[in-house]
Amino acid sequence: DAGVTQSPTHLIKTRGQHVTLRCSPISGHKSVSWYQQVLGQGPQFIFQYYEKEERGRGNFPDRFSARQFPNYSSELNVNALLLGDSALYLCASSREYEQYFGPGTRLTVT
Amino acid sequence: DQQVKQNSPSLSVQEGRISILNCDYTNSMFDYFLWYKKYPAEGPTFLISISSIKDKNEDGRFTVFLNKSAKHLSLHIVPSQPGDSAVYFCAASTPRNAGGTSYGKLTFGQGTILTVHP
Repeated sequence: DAGVTQSPTHLIKTRGQHVTLRCSPISGHKSVSWYQQVLGQGPQFIFQYYEKEERGRGNFPDRFSARQFPNYSSELNVNALLLGDSALYLCASSREYEQYFGPGTRLTVT
Repeated sequence: DQQVKQNSPSLSVQEGRISILNCDYTNSMFDYFLWYKKYPAEGPTFLISISSIKDKNEDGRFTVFLNKSAKHLSLHIVPSQPGDSAVYFCAASTPRNAGGTSYGKLTFGQGTILTVHP
């Protein structure tokens, strides 16, 4: 079975721009979560979606938004990018407590 | 407010010996704990987990111990292999909701870099 896939792998954006990151969960998983990981820290929770509804939100500004589609894939959108948004963005899918992560999207904001 | 802490930034062990990675938490609402391994340029890989109603879970070379009264968990790797060299994260989950539609967010520690020398 295919694991969690994310696109793009790498992305370079300029301050003030917006970005859309994409995630496809493991087949059969209905829950998708997004995390941000900056260098030297553990992943930080951003959003969780289940059956297309937001089920949890971390301590991130309203510039961050997400949605889940009927096929359970998900998008993370970030508006008005700041230098501090540079990070590895991880998507995870789950059926139970264990969450399985994709390879991440490395976002660099210049 | 760091609810999950891994106080050792790095650990170095000899091949064949035991690796012990530690993790402390403060939130007594956490009811499920997980360990992940991460290589550079890859996403975290799930290793092993434990429910708060247990004190030990074993899977091959990996054993996780949970001490609820001390709010402490540890991951034992025996025997350690050079391929185990990676960053290890512990994570804690809040309880799922009553309808089972949300399994809770994961709160991660800062990670411990494990190096296993041949």
